[in-house]
Amino acid sequence: DTGVSQDPRHKITKRGQNVTFRCDPISEHNRLYWYRQTLGQGPEFLTYFQNEAQLEKSRLLSDRFSAERPKGSFSTLEIQRTEQGDSAMYLCASSLSDTSGNTIYFGEGSWLTVV
Amino acid sequence: GNSVTQMEGPVTLSEEAFLTINCTYTATGYPSLFWYVQYPGEGLQLLLKATKADDKGSNKGFEATYRKETTSFHLEKGSVQVSDSAVYFCALSGSWRDNDMRFGAGTRLTVKP
Repeated sequence: DTGVSQDPRHKITKRGQNVTFRCDPISEHNRLYWYRQTLGQGPEFLTYFQNEAQLEKSRLLSDRFSAERPKGSFSTLEIQRTEQGDSAMYLCASSLSDTSGNTIYFGEGSWLTVV
Repeated sequence: GNSVTQMEGPVTLSEEAFLTINCTYTATGYPSLFWYVQYPGEGLQLLLKATKADDKGSNKGFEATYRKETTSFHLEKGSVQVSDSAVYFCALSGSWRDNDMRFGAGTRLTVKP
């Protein structure tokens, strides 16, 4: 299967610890996105990359969050000094840039619980 | 700015009932419209999409028609099954810069046998 894959699927961490999530996009896709989803809500955009360049970051992405896509393939999302409010599902998605209406394909998400 | 408003849930139906989940949007220009489905504990899967006015997206018995005059993209299915139980998200992409993709809050559907 060559869909978007995320690791780990679940992470429980103590408040104040750092966590890192990895995303492997669909291989031919040049765009990669990170979203956050909390219970009962739709996904909220965090940031996106075109190849290795991070082109946009949401105001939701505080200084404790950092995302990288060093070689334009996989990406990592690190959260430093986690807080209970960071508990959410972190979704990675990818797409192939096009003129309009191209589809974003999502991974299965990484659940974070901060205790 | 661009936004999507979805019918609030939860929605509970009996098997073989008709389903409608309303979605309206606000956007400048000519957005593309999507329905995604999320099963418990999983990420979002594209269900269907439409990229221009009057287009009808369809998949797995679900349909939605892009209505520019009413700025709507309502999801319908003639006969739901228990396996359709999930959360459905309406979404809008305002331009080729699809980091503009906006999601509704989701509508939880439960289908009972």
